[in-house]
Amino acid sequence: EAAVTQSPRNKVAVTGGKVTLSCNQTNNHNNMYWYRQDTGHGLRLIHYSYGAGSTEKGDIPDGYKASRPSQENFSLILELATPSQTSVYFCASGDPGAQDTQYFGPGTRLLVL
Amino acid sequence: QQQVRQSSQSLTVWEGETAILNCSYENSAFDYFPWYQQFPGEGPALLIAIRSVSDKKEDGRFTIFFNKREKNLSLHIKDSQPGDSATYFCAASPYSGTYQRFGTGTKLQVVP
Repeated sequence: EAAVTQSPRNKVAVTGGKVTLSCNQTNNHNNMYWYRQDTGHGLRLIHYSYGAGSTEKGDIPDGYKASRPSQENFSLILELATPSQTSVYFCASGDPGAQDTQYFGPGTRLLVL
Repeated sequence: QQQVRQSSQSLTVWEGETAILNCSYENSAFDYFPWYQQFPGEGPALLIAIRSVSDKKEDGRFTIFFNKREKNLSLHIKDSQPGDSATYFCAASPYSGTYQRFGTGTKLQVVP
């Protein structure tokens, strides 16, 4: 069973502050993804990565940066947080060779005041 | 724009009934269609998936019916149980294995 963990699980940030959300996976998957989930929008892809050192823009990358320093770790960075970034963020990992299944972490609930 | 659409935000059925969740898509290049199940406070988890070469995929009480010509698919949950109450996401991706696009989700409630 794939294991994806996220930290923190809950975060309160101030407008203009920097926020870093972390994700770790232990299944040696090449691909990792960051989504945000909002009512009425479902899951929207922010950034993704094909492996260590790679980051790619998803459908809604504005206001977010990503970092993939290793196979296991993938971070999402909000340099200047805004209230519109209040959401639940999910990290996922997957390997296209394995039926494209994505394994999701438990989510991080972010509130930007 | 929403490339994967789920027509119902919510659905309520009685225990024992068949729940039918609908999904449609726009991109003809989509080849792989997973359905994810999400319980409150958790991340989504793969429930069942189908590739466009098939028109039906069954796994226990869960069945996907796929219509390539009409660009739609549906998830049937037979003999629905209260434990099936969750949000269900339809997703799609091209054969090339690029990232999946998700629908907005359907929240299913199964009433005992």
